[in-house]
Amino acid sequence: QKEVEQNSGPLSVPEGAIASLNCTYSDRGSQSFFWYRQYSGKSPELIMFIYSNGDKEDGRFTAQLNKASQYVSLLIRDSQPSDSATYLCAVRRGGKLIFGQGTELSVKP
Amino acid sequence: GAVVSQHPSRVICKSGTSVKIECRSLDFQATTMFWYRQFPKKSLMLMATSNEGSKATYEQGVEKDKFLINHASLTLSTLTVTSAHPEDSSFYICSALRASGGAGTEAFFGQGTRLTVV
Repeated sequence: QKEVEQNSGPLSVPEGAIASLNCTYSDRGSQSFFWYRQYSGKSPELIMFIYSNGDKEDGRFTAQLNKASQYVSLLIRDSQPSDSATYLCAVRRGGKLIFGQGTELSVKP
Repeated sequence: GAVVSQHPSRVICKSGTSVKIECRSLDFQATTMFWYRQFPKKSLMLMATSNEGSKATYEQGVEKDKFLINHASLTLSTLTVTSAHPEDSSFYICSALRASGGAGTEAFFGQGTRLTVV
């Protein structure tokens, strides 16, 4: 079992829709969870992080964390073509940041 | 967000030569930096953890004599790919940890270095 798992996609949504990206992790002791966006040929950029159970909202982005289910998700409201990218889920373990394989999102105009 | 500068962004070198990649945190001090490698359409693979003033900690399967890491100051870590071969061609990315308020720290990434060994 991979430590951080994501559906590789591609996930395709129409412009204006809600995109839902999911991530599960295996280490129940994980404390911090991060979502990064990576455009092709570029390095990842931090979208948001979450530490506590529940929802955390930042603009069009909402991160959801459920530690009991070892599940973290990212919702993107009013998706735009510019949101098309690979979204990486990361979990901090002992100071290291462990990444999932990423989900490719495509937002169609 | 914080700024992490990685240089060079792109390098082509001949097989057998060595290449040095620099990673600098420009507006904060980073006691810990990480080096990742990414193959096309794959996730980031952690290579090593670089701590200022001490030896780097390498992940299993990463050759420490091939990938030399130095973290001489709180704002600079370097990765040297020694005796490079075509299979070392990849996208190398550094990240630096910045302490944030509250429970944790945030990791910020450099722009990445596209290494091509010919």
